[in-house]
Amino acid sequence: GQQLNQSPQSMFIQEGEDVSMNCTSSSIFNTWLWYKQDPGEGPVLLIALYKAGELTSNGRLTAQFGITRKDSFLNISASIPSDVGIYFCAGRDDYKLSFGAGTTVTVRA
Amino acid sequence: DAGITQSPRHKVTETGTPVTLRCHQTENHRYMYWYRQDPGHGLRLIHYSYGVKDTDKGEVSDGYSVSRSKTEDFLLTLESATSSQTSVYFCAISDSLTTDTQYFGPGTRLTVL
Repeated sequence: GQQLNQSPQSMFIQEGEDVSMNCTSSSIFNTWLWYKQDPGEGPVLLIALYKAGELTSNGRLTAQFGITRKDSFLNISASIPSDVGIYFCAGRDDYKLSFGAGTTVTVRA
Repeated sequence: DAGITQSPRHKVTETGTPVTLRCHQTENHRYMYWYRQDPGHGLRLIHYSYGVKDTDKGEVSDGYSVSRSKTEDFLLTLESATSSQTSVYFCAISDSLTTDTQYFGPGTRLTVL
C-alpha cells in the first residue's frame, strides 16, 4: 500500500486552541479523507476532498487538498474537550484507502 | 449509525489455533472490508468483498482468508493464528467501491498468545 506520513504523532490541546495536523505522501491521490476515531469505536469520516487546492470546512474543521495532490492538512479551530481522539488521514486510489498512522489529540490538564 | 456489528468484540487465543471473526450488516451494502489497526500503521486493508462470493486481497492478506455467503455477513478467518496477528480488526461497509463513506464497525480486539 501507499505510505502516508502523518504529523504530529500526538498533541496536547487546551480548550479554545486552534490545532493543525498534516499528511504527506510520496504518491498522488485523487481523494483525500480525514477520519476521527473515538476510544473503543471505529473511525468516522469528517471531511472528504476531491480536487487539488480544494479547501473544505465542516463546522470548526477545515481541510485542504494540496496542489501537488500529495498532501493535505486538517485544522480544528477553538478546540473543545470532545475533540480528543485519533485523527487519521487517508488517500483513495481506486477502491483502496491508504491510511496515515494517526494523530492522537489529548486535552492538556 | 450504520448497522454494523462485529463478533466477538474481544478474543484471546493461542498460537496455532484457528480464529473466525464475523462482521454483520443490516444496510444491504454491496461492499465489505476487513482492516487491521496497529500502533504506528493506521488501518491496513486485509481483504474486501464486492458481492456474495466475490472477494479480493488487500495489502496485508497473508495468513488470512475471507468468505461471504450472504450479503449481510463477511467472515475473516485466521487459519493458524500467530502472535503477529494480535491486533484490532475493523470491518467496514460501503454501497460503492468509489464512495468515500466507508462505515466502520466497533472493532474486535484479538490477542494471540
